[in-house]
Amino acid sequence: GEDVEQSLFLSVREGDSSVINCTYTDSSSTYLYWYKQEPGAGLQLLTYIFSNMDMKQDQRLTVLLNKKDKHLSLRIADTQTGDSAIYFCAERLPAAGNKLTFGGGTRVLVKP
Amino acid sequence: DAGVTQSPTHLIKTRGQQVTLRCSPKSGHDTVSWYQQALGQGPQFIFQYYEEEERQRGNFPDRFSGHQFPNYSSELNVNALLLGDSALYLCASSFSRTGELFFGEGSRLTVL
Repeated sequence: GEDVEQSLFLSVREGDSSVINCTYTDSSSTYLYWYKQEPGAGLQLLTYIFSNMDMKQDQRLTVLLNKKDKHLSLRIADTQTGDSAIYFCAERLPAAGNKLTFGGGTRVLVKP
Repeated sequence: DAGVTQSPTHLIKTRGQQVTLRCSPKSGHDTVSWYQQALGQGPQFIFQYYEEEERQRGNFPDRFSGHQFPNYSSELNVNALLLGDSALYLCASSFSRTGELFFGEGSRLTVL
């Protein structure tokens, strides 16, 4: 079945690393995504990882995928105040076209 | 190159009324998906339109309907509004039914 879960809140100091975690239940997921949503705005795609990969790095962002535990994480290096937002992970299943199933979101607050 | 545009950005309706939301896809995209995001939650898939037909549908009642026009733009209609329909409605476009999704800024609907 489809179920994506995330912790609700993360507080981090400016300049530190942030790690946002996500678990999913469907092992057949093909792609896993991370989106960012700022207040009053739509969704911005940050990065994604294909299910046959363990890690993907893109500038300050590192995605780690543990398929055995169905665990996905997003690490943001050198977190800035502009990184304060809600972060959603989402999975895409092979039989579902490009329909995404989202987690409930993790609110990240960056303190100066 | 304009991205996904949605209108109106905000609207207020009363229970029992009907609402129509509009979406213009990103240039070159032919598929439109709609998501509902209730306050404090992740987006939930409503349906997807491709070639002017509904191709996939999430767990939403028949009060939610849509349309896609020959120019690929789309409308979401909700009849007999309930208080629980208050949400941010997000439109996402893609090239084909399996392409990467690009989200608009959303239409925020408040039902009183």
